[in-house]
Amino acid sequence: DSGVTQTPKHLITATGQRVTLRCSPRSGDLSVYWYQQSLDQGLQFLIQYYNGEERAKGNILERFSAQQFPDLHSELNLSSLELGDSALYFCASSIAGAGANVLTFGAGSRLTVL
Amino acid sequence: QKEVEQDPGPLSVPEGAIVSLNCTYSNSAFQYFMWYRQYSRKGPELLMYTYSSGNKEDGRFTAQVDKSSKYISLFIRDSQPSDSATYLCAMKGGSTLGRLYFGRGTQLTVWP
Repeated sequence: DSGVTQTPKHLITATGQRVTLRCSPRSGDLSVYWYQQSLDQGLQFLIQYYNGEERAKGNILERFSAQQFPDLHSELNLSSLELGDSALYFCASSIAGAGANVLTFGAGSRLTVL
Repeated sequence: QKEVEQDPGPLSVPEGAIVSLNCTYSNSAFQYFMWYRQYSRKGPELLMYTYSSGNKEDGRFTAQVDKSSKYISLFIRDSQPSDSATYLCAMKGGSTLGRLYFGRGTQLTVWP
């Protein structure tokens, strides 16, 4: 167990629907990162939050949004889902300062869009 | 050109072989270099972490960074079937809150 908790583990939904993925970082970690992993694209960085504030944005679609709450857990919202959104979504966390170079990943949420 | 290039393999070797995994990159600002191991249906886990150029050894694993060539390597000695996984290289610049850039991962199978 890495200490990063992601729910749900598996999710099957239909095109056009909206889902929310949840992440609880390791105790003491202030930064949360979201990554999408698909077979053809590898690990793609979506977005990073630090202590509740957005710090970096990657290849995140406008249909996707995220936030980090005061208790530091984070949610990734995916809307108007398309078949191509089927992927593994990983959350990772890191501490602040020099140790922020090392990310600890959760087990992922597998999203299947039918 | 992607910022980090990694041959996806697959790579299949017999138990006991020496495995060499490599990545190249284009961004000269990268200073921190990591290797993650990902077992099937699991999240990536940190295997090796190095700063700037040089070698780092940890048991059967050795990480090498050559910044002049923008080339990093991971060597696995005496490979075991339990080493069968996907190995992802990752790197980042000097900002402590900067994002990690990942390679696509190399799928390794070690057969007994």
